[in-house]
Amino acid sequence: GAVVSQHPSWVICKSGTSVKIECRSLDFQATTMFWYRQFPKQSLMLMATSNEGSKATYEQGVEKDKFLINHASLTLSTLTVTSAHPEDSSFYICSATQPGNYEQYFGPGTRLTVT
Amino acid sequence: QKEVEQNSGPLSVPEGAIASLNCTYSDRGSQSFFWYRQYSGKSPELIMFIYSNGDKEDGRFTAQLNKASQYVSLLIRDSQPSDSATYLCAVLRGGSEKLVFGKGTKLTVNP
Repeated sequence: GAVVSQHPSWVICKSGTSVKIECRSLDFQATTMFWYRQFPKQSLMLMATSNEGSKATYEQGVEKDKFLINHASLTLSTLTVTSAHPEDSSFYICSATQPGNYEQYFGPGTRLTVT
Repeated sequence: QKEVEQNSGPLSVPEGAIASLNCTYSDRGSQSFFWYRQYSGKSPELIMFIYSNGDKEDGRFTAQLNKASQYVSLLIRDSQPSDSATYLCAVLRGGSEKLVFGKGTKLTVNP
């Protein structure tokens, strides 16, 4: 149980275009979803926290207008990277928690390459 | 001081040995501590978590927590080549649902 999926698993896009990444909890309703970014040989950095039906909370230094997060239902959150640039190339990972449980279940990640 | 610190390694041990991974944290209000394993190109997978001072054992893995020293460790007994990965220490901020990750320790188990 507690499976989280992400789609796509990898994507290549041109500079200036937008890319949407989906995160789904497959067998549970997720009260909270988290979005992380990981650069090569670096640790996971939390970008934002989202709860269903409310605006995402962004970490300091993360541009909310560039990284749009929509948590439309208890099983789906999306991250849209707008006007992507090569420096946005990274491994994006989402996670989700169940009600009353702090354990985060991680998705398999999405590798974004901006050319 | 970084919130969660780990030796980046690399740490190299022979197969069958005990691998010891260490982590310190700065927020005394932290209550929950997690160890994740991350293979190259993959997302983290939870190995175990610990809330209380002392040891917690799960198979070949033992987590140790000392809140007074703000220190948490992971021991891997009978290390296998398949244990070769980066091990991430994560701390749940006090009063928060957010995890703060260390940079990870890269472990290599040599056959």
